[in-house]
Amino acid sequence: GAGVSQTPSNKVTEKGKYVELRCDPISGHTALYWYRQSLGQGPEFLIYFQGTGAADDSGLPNDRFFAVRPEGSVSTLKIQRTERGDSAVYLCASSLEGEAAGELFFGEGSRLTVL
Amino acid sequence: GENVEQHPSTLSVQEGDSAVIKCTYSDSASNYFPWYKQELGKRPQLIIDIRSNVGEKKDQRIAVTLNKTAKHFSLHITETQPEDSAVYFCAAKGPGGPGKLIFGQGTELSVKP
Repeated sequence: GAGVSQTPSNKVTEKGKYVELRCDPISGHTALYWYRQSLGQGPEFLIYFQGTGAADDSGLPNDRFFAVRPEGSVSTLKIQRTERGDSAVYLCASSLEGEAAGELFFGEGSRLTVL
Repeated sequence: GENVEQHPSTLSVQEGDSAVIKCTYSDSASNYFPWYKQELGKRPQLIIDIRSNVGEKKDQRIAVTLNKTAKHFSLHITETQPEDSAVYFCAAKGPGGPGKLIFGQGTELSVKP
């Protein structure tokens, strides 16, 4: 695709509900990242996939958060028992594989509001 | 772990003036420092980056300087234009994957015509 695509763009849910956010990276990008951006803050790292495996999930705040990338392309971020504090914009980014750090291509984000 | 501090949080300049945003980082092992621009409701987009083996990099009206000894880096925008108005984030590569970035808190730049 032309860029990183994220769905839904907006999600409103009630406290305690389960939510899934989807990310479709740029074709050919093997590295995929999830970040969370709260209002007025910079993006905060959550998890990094290299191919199908989660290479670094040190940013996931607790065990209510989980992410998968079963075929090495599309990724889903799953949040169980949502809390009001989970409200934020969830950004997905992809990049070309490589050891050297390089440009991250971000999606437009999924804005999650937990009532 | 890595920590990145950014200031100022807001910056207002007249069109045509220069703007400078400064960041400090804590981890001396960090070797990659990008700057992202985020317009309201839009995705962050890379505008310039610098690696630790370089002291300065310039791209048209935008330049970044890095002082490894002091662990700080700065973004310089010259001849500012209204379309430069946005939130700018600095970042430093943290330990782990190549795209694991630690972002600053952001600077909201307003360029007044």
